[in-house]
Amino acid sequence: AQSVTQLDSHVSVSEGTPVLLRCNYSSSYSPSLFWYVQHPNKGLQLLLKYTSAATLVKGINGFEAEFKKSETSFHLTKPSAHMSDAAEYFCVVTGGSGGYNKLIFGAGTRLAVHP
Amino acid sequence: DGGITQSPKYLFRKEGQNVTLSCEQNLNHDAMYWYRQDPGQGLRLIYYSQIVNDFQKGDIAEGYSVSREKKESFPLTVTSAQKNPTAFYLCASSRENSNQPQHFGDGTRLSIL
Repeated sequence: AQSVTQLDSHVSVSEGTPVLLRCNYSSSYSPSLFWYVQHPNKGLQLLLKYTSAATLVKGINGFEAEFKKSETSFHLTKPSAHMSDAAEYFCVVTGGSGGYNKLIFGAGTRLAVHP
Repeated sequence: DGGITQSPKYLFRKEGQNVTLSCEQNLNHDAMYWYRQDPGQGLRLIYYSQIVNDFQKGDIAEGYSVSREKKESFPLTVTSAQKNPTAFYLCASSRENSNQPQHFGDGTRLSIL
C-alpha cells in the first residue's frame, strides 16, 4: 500500500534563508509524487510533480524537489524564503490501485516565514 | 480561464438539515472528487466520479451523497446523518488517467448553527 509521511508538522525560517520540507513515501511500484501548497481558506495549488522523468523537479515560485528512490524521499526545497511562502504544504503520492486517480496526502507541513 | 468554482464559500447548517455544496469545472476533465479537510489533517476522500452518471464512495462517504448528471458539475450533499459536518470541503478534478495531478477549487467552509 502507498503512504506518505511529512516529517515536520511545523517549520519556521527567516526571510531570505533556505527552506527544506521533508517527505518520505512508501510505494510498491514507481509512484508519481506531487507537492501542493495551500494558503489560508484556499484550495490546493500544484507546486510541482514527479512522474518518473528527471529526478530533480523544478516547480513554480522557485521551489524544487528531488526524488531519491534509495531513500524513498521527495523533499521540497527553496534557496531563499519569501514572506509570501508562508502556507501549508502537502506531499502527495498516487495510490495507483482501484482503477482511478487516487491521491494519498501527507498530514501537511505549516511553513512560517519571519522577517 | 479554466478552473473549478465552488460555492458558497461559507455555509451554515441547522440541526437535521441537508445542505448542498456546488462544484463546477470548465477544464473538460472526466474525473471529479470531493475531499474533507479537518485542522491538522490531510485531505480525506469522500466521493469520486470518473465519468458522468457514475460515482464511487471514498474513504469517508457515510452521511454524504453526490450526483454526476453533467460532466461539468459534481454537487455534494451533506445529510443530517453526518453528525460532525463542520469542516473545509474541497472539490477537485483531473484527467481520468492515473498519475495526473488534481486541480482544486477554493473550498467551502461548513459550520453548524
